Amino acid sequence: QVQLQESGPGLVKPSQTLSLTCTVSGGSITNGGYFWSWIRQHPGKGLEWIGYIYFDGGTRYNPSLKSQLSISIDTSKNQFSLTLSSVTAADTAVYYCARLGAYSSPKYAMDVWGQGTTLTVSS
Amino acid sequence: QSALTQPASVSGSPGQSITVSCTGTSSDVAGYNYVSWYQQHPGKAPKLMIYEVSNRPSGVSDRFSGSKSGNAASLTISGLQAEDEADYYCVSYSSSNTPSVFGTGTRVTVL
Repeated sequence: QVQLQESGPGLVKPSQTLSLTCTVSGGSITNGGYFWSWIRQHPGKGLEWIGYIYFDGGTRYNPSLKSQLSISIDTSKNQFSLTLSSVTAADTAVYYCARLGAYSSPKYAMDVWGQGTTLTVSS
Repeated sequence: QSALTQPASVSGSPGQSITVSCTGTSSDVAGYNYVSWYQQHPGKAPKLMIYEVSNRPSGVSDRFSGSKSGNAASLTISGLQAEDEADYYCVSYSSSNTPSVFGTGTRVTVL
C-alpha cells in the first residue's frame, strides 16, 4: 500500500527559499501510471493545486506560482520535492503531496495523500 | 483558470439525501469525464470519494455517488450520517494552463 509523507522546516523567514520533500513508500516513484503532485491549503481556505512531476522529470506548474516554483524528483530516494523561492506570508499554508492518476485509473484523481505539513512564513 | 463553483454550504438531517453541485466550463467539467470528489475532515488530509465522475474507490461507502450533466457535476450523499459532516471538494481535469482545477469547497452539515 503506497504511502506519502511530507517533510519540511515548519517555519521560514520572508524572502527565503522553502524546500519540502515527499517520501513515497510501499511503491516505486518510477511507476509510469502517476503524476506526483503538490497541493496547498491556506488557513481556513480551500485547496490550491501547485503542480506535479512525472517520473521522467516532466513538470506542470500553476501559472500563478511558476516564477517562484520548482518541483524535482529523486528516483534513487523515492522522493520528490518542492522549492518555493522568495516566500511571503501569503505562502503560509498546509502543504500536501498526493499521487495523481496519469495513464491509468483513477485518471486525473488524487488517490493517495500525505498527512500534510504546516509551513509558516514569519520573521 | 477560475475555480469550479460549489455552494458554500449544504445541510441535511440524518437519513436524508443531499446533493453538492460543481459547475465548470467546456474546458473542464463539460469537456472531460475526469471529475473527482474529496472529503476533508478538520485537520485531516483530503480523501478521494469519487473518481472519473461516478466511480467509487474500494472502501468508500455506496451512499456516495457522482454524476455529471453538461458543465455541472454532482455528488450525492444518501442516508446522511453524522460522520459525513465535512468539507467536500470537486476537482476536474482542464485543458487550460492548469490541468487540475479545484472547486471552491462545500461545508456539509448534518443537522
